[in-house]
Amino acid sequence: GAVVSQHPSRVICKSGTSVKIECRSLDFQATTMFWYRQFPKKSLMLMATSNEGSKATYEQGVEKDKFLINHASLTLSTLTVTSAHPEDSSFYICSARGRDGGNQPQHFGDGTRLSIL
Amino acid sequence: EDKVVQSPLSLVVHEGDTVTLNCSYEVTNFRSLLWYKQEKKAPTFLFMLTSSGIEKKSGRLSSILDKKELFSILNITATQTGDSAVYLCAKISGTYKYIFGTGTRLKVLA
Repeated sequence: GAVVSQHPSRVICKSGTSVKIECRSLDFQATTMFWYRQFPKKSLMLMATSNEGSKATYEQGVEKDKFLINHASLTLSTLTVTSAHPEDSSFYICSARGRDGGNQPQHFGDGTRLSIL
Repeated sequence: EDKVVQSPLSLVVHEGDTVTLNCSYEVTNFRSLLWYKQEKKAPTFLFMLTSSGIEKKSGRLSSILDKKELFSILNITATQTGDSAVYLCAKISGTYKYIFGTGTRLKVLA
C-alpha cells in the first residue's frame, strides 16, 4: 500500500530556532499534500494544503510566514516552522494523495513531535 | 462552520465487550466519511463510507453511514486490549479537505 514517510519523528530545540519537517511519498506521486497540527487529546486541525508546483493554501488563522510550506516535487513537501516558540510545540502530521485521489483516503506520515524549550 | 462531532469523547470497557462509536456531520459539501484509528503516531485508515446503508466490515470492526440522519457508527465486537486507541471520524468536503472530529478515546481493560 501507499507509504508516506515523515522526518524527523521528534525534535527538541530552543526558542527562536527554525525547524524543517519533511514529508515524502515513497511509492506514488503526491500531487497534493496536507499538513495538520494536533494538540494533546485533540483532533487533527488542517493547517494548509500543498499542491506540487504552486503556493500552499493556508487555513484561516494559520500564519503563512510562520509556517512555510514548499512542495517542489511530486514526492516531497516540507514544512518549516520559523523562529519557533514554546506555543508552537505540537504534533505535526502530513498526509498525501495522488493524482486521482480526490475522494480516496489520504495516507498519513507518522508525525513529528516538536518541543520548543 | 463545518463540523464533525464524535461521541462519546472517551470510553472504558472490558475485553470482550462490544462498543459503538458515533459520528455526526453537517451535510454541507459532503463527499464521503472516513474512520481512522490513531495509536501513538499517525492515523491508520479503517473505512471509507460514501453510500448510505451499506455496512463495511473488517474482522471485528464494522461501520455504516446514514446520509438521511447525517451520522455514522463504528462498531467493534469482542474488544481486545489492542483496540485501545483514539478513533477519528473525518468528513471529506467539497474541496476534498478532511474535517476531523474530536475523536473517541477507547480504553479496553484486560
